Amino acid sequence: EAGVTQFPSHSVIEKGQTVTLRCDPISGHDNLYWYRRVMGKEIKFLLHFVKESKQDESGMPNNRFLAERTGGTYSTLKVQPAELEDSGVYFCASSQDWPSVNEKLFFGSGTQLSVL
Amino acid sequence: RKEVEQDPGPFNVPEGATVAFNCTYSNSASQSFFWYRQDCRKEPKLLMSVYSSGNEDGRFTAQLNRASQYISLLIRDSKLSDSATYLCVVRGNYGGSQGNLIFGKGTKLSVKP
Repeated sequence: EAGVTQFPSHSVIEKGQTVTLRCDPISGHDNLYWYRRVMGKEIKFLLHFVKESKQDESGMPNNRFLAERTGGTYSTLKVQPAELEDSGVYFCASSQDWPSVNEKLFFGSGTQLSVL
Repeated sequence: RKEVEQDPGPFNVPEGATVAFNCTYSNSASQSFFWYRQDCRKEPKLLMSVYSSGNEDGRFTAQLNRASQYISLLIRDSKLSDSATYLCVVRGNYGGSQGNLIFGKGTKLSVKP
């Protein structure tokens, strides 16, 4: 079974440009999450989709970030315009058993974003 | 105060050693607790859930003390392959709904031959 896949694995862009990250969850997983780790900090929650709906977007840093999950399958996270502080590793995760307290998240290998 | 705090390490131990990691969390309403393992430049992977009664999985033992808001992970007979960063992770219960995962910064373990 394919795991959570993310594309691209690395992206280097200049400040002010736009970047779109993609996540394909495990097939059949209704729940999709975006997390981010900036250098020297802990991994932090960005948002949670249940199917195509945003369940919780309390972690989105500002309105330069836009996440979509049209059709409830793959998701995209767009950063426009990118700023230096957006650099970090963006992880996607999926699960099938929210809101169980025993929910198990499967993470993708992440997209390393570098904004120069 | 950070929501989940861990000693960043690094812990440098010889093969065969026993090593213990600790973690504290600030939100007493937190409901679920986990240890994740993250290898260099890889994704976090669930190592084990942590239950109030304590639980063991092979060489790994996890403990939870809700009164002290403290979680621990003990690794016995360390292997070279145990070298990684260990992330303490807590799930909150916010407003009655299932909260998201809150990560500590991680504790780096290096097991030497």
